[in-house]
Parts: sequence; structure tokens; C-alpha cells
Amino acid sequence: DTGVSQDPRHKITKRGQNVTFRCDPISEHNRLYWYRQTLGQGPEFLTYFQNEAQLEKSRLLSDRFSAERPKGSFSTLEIQRTEQGDSAMYLCASSPTTGMNTEAFFGQGTRLTVV
Amino acid sequence: GQQVMQIPQYQHVQEGEDFTTYCNSSTTLSNIQWYKQRPGGHPVFLIQLVKSGEVKKQKRLTFQFGEAKKNSSLHITATQTTDVGTYFCADYDYKLSFGAGTTVTVRA
Repeated sequence: DTGVSQDPRHKITKRGQNVTFRCDPISEHNRLYWYRQTLGQGPEFLTYFQNEAQLEKSRLLSDRFSAERPKGSFSTLEIQRTEQGDSAMYLCASSPTTGMNTEAFFGQGTRLTVV
Repeated sequence: GQQVMQIPQYQHVQEGEDFTTYCNSSTTLSNIQWYKQRPGGHPVFLIQLVKSGEVKKQKRLTFQFGEAKKNSSLHITATQTTDVGTYFCADYDYKLSFGAGTTVTVRA
């Protein structure tokens, strides 16, 4: 499978715990995005990377959230001291940046439930 | 990216009928991308519109970008049960800024 893969697919955690999600993008894509989606809403932008550089982070994102892409390949998203409001689907997407092709390929997502 | 508003939020369609969903912005959009998300699935890219007044067709789907680049529409003809899902428009400006989507259900 050469698509975007995310792990785990589901995560249930207690409030106050830390969680980390992983995203493996399509190998030749140098741009990687993290989005969050709640029921009935469109994906909400969190942050994105161009290779290993984190170029933008949403102003809505609290400092409990951090993302890395250490070698410009896979990425991790960590949420510290989780809150019930963090419950959502966390989507990763990757895209090429050559020419006019900016199509984003999404992974299946990680569904986080904070209890 | 700019915030985009989509209407209607829900569209209930009789199989075989046509419908249109709209995407609007108060400011000029960079370019518009449309995605479809099936129930329980992830967003899947449909099309990208870049030029003012651009029209693109994919089988029964017709996408249009407004002359002022402040709105876009998706028109589906002869709706089928496979069209069920949520259709999102998104402004692309190095990142995607999604609307809330139009959720389509089909009555057989």
C-alpha cells in the first residue's frame, strides 16, 4: 500500500494522559499536514511541514500540541495532558509540491477518545 | 486560506435527480479544491479549480469557479446511491481551509 498510513487507528485515553500519533506519508511527497475533524465539521488545519521544517502552526493550537517530522519522512503529533475537548479524528495528509499539483492525500485518521 | 461557507449543510436527493452545492467566501480565493468523504471514510480529492470562471466536468459532476473567484459550485446530475457522502470545498493557500461540507443522502 503506497498511500498515507496512520497509527494507531483508534486511541482511548484518560484525561491528563499524553498521547502520540504517527503518520507515514506517501514517500515522494515533501509536504505533510495534520488536521483535526469533529462530527459534522470539515477538517480543521493544525500544522504543516515542508520536508523537516514546520512552516505553519494554527493559532488555535494550544501549546499542549506538538508535531515533529525529524527526517522529512514520517511525522508524529503529540498531545500532552489530554482534555475531553481533544476528542476528535486526527487526519494526516501529504502532497507533492511540484508544479500545479497540490492534491492532498489523506490517511484513514486516528480517532482519539478522551474519557 | 480563507474561510469558506458551504450551503446547504444537508441535501436529501431522490435518486435520479440533480442537485447543486455552493461554496462562498467574502474574499478572493486562491484556488478551490473539492473533496468527498464517504461515511466513516477520509476526504478524497475530486478536483482543483484555479482560474476565474473555470468549469470542469467529471462524468456526472460539474465544478465551477466564479468569475470573481469568491464562490464555487458542484452540480451533480442523475444522482446515484454512490454519491452519498459529504462534499467539502477548501481554499488552497499552501494549506487547505475547509468549509463545513454538504452532507448528501439519496432516497432510492
